[in-house]
Amino acid sequence: DAGITQSPRHKVTETGTPVTLRCHQTENHRYMYWYRQDPGHGLRLIHYSYGVKDTDKGEVSDGYSVSRSKTEDFLLTLESATSSQTSVYFCAISRSGGISTDTQYFGPGTRLTVL
Amino acid sequence: TQLLEQSPQFLSIQEGENLTVYCNSSSVFSSLQWYRQEPGEGPVLLVTVVTGGEVKKLKRLTFQFGDARKDSSLHITAAQPGDTGLYLCAGAKDKLIFGTGTLLAVQP
Repeated sequence: DAGITQSPRHKVTETGTPVTLRCHQTENHRYMYWYRQDPGHGLRLIHYSYGVKDTDKGEVSDGYSVSRSKTEDFLLTLESATSSQTSVYFCAISRSGGISTDTQYFGPGTRLTVL
Repeated sequence: TQLLEQSPQFLSIQEGENLTVYCNSSSVFSSLQWYRQEPGEGPVLLVTVVTGGEVKKLKRLTFQFGDARKDSSLHITAAQPGDTGLYLCAGAKDKLIFGTGTLLAVQP
């Protein structure tokens, strides 16, 4: 199994509070991704990173920001959580850009509930 | 937004039955991947198909990429309870676009 951990694994928070989710990898892969998973929508890309301090937006980036100060860590921040951000969040890593034949390896997920 | 629609959304079958899951889009992809996700875990890659018309087999699972590289199918022969899970297709363009998912339950 790829060495990917996510923390916390579960979190309950209130509307309007900031929340930070952490993804940590031990594989030294260049690319890291944050997805959210909701019923009927599959996995949707929030943000991704192609190197330290290099990030870009995905399909559903509004209300989220990311940072990557080290190869192994990719942080996802909800500046002011809303109930629509209740979801399961997955981090993934890949050696190249996730296109063509490259494999994305996923972490175990973080279940976030915003009350 | 490009969409990959999977059908059916839910499937509950008895052990030993055969089934097919479909993944359809109006977009052309350079490749298509299939993942399986078990409860409480992240998706795990099963296979990648690259060439239009390509067929790959993984034990009792057969994956096919459409000739026009817009669609794919997953066929499971003699399903077993261990096949239970969420099956996701994902098409590759500049990024990976995931399908809506098919939740499969195989009853013993």
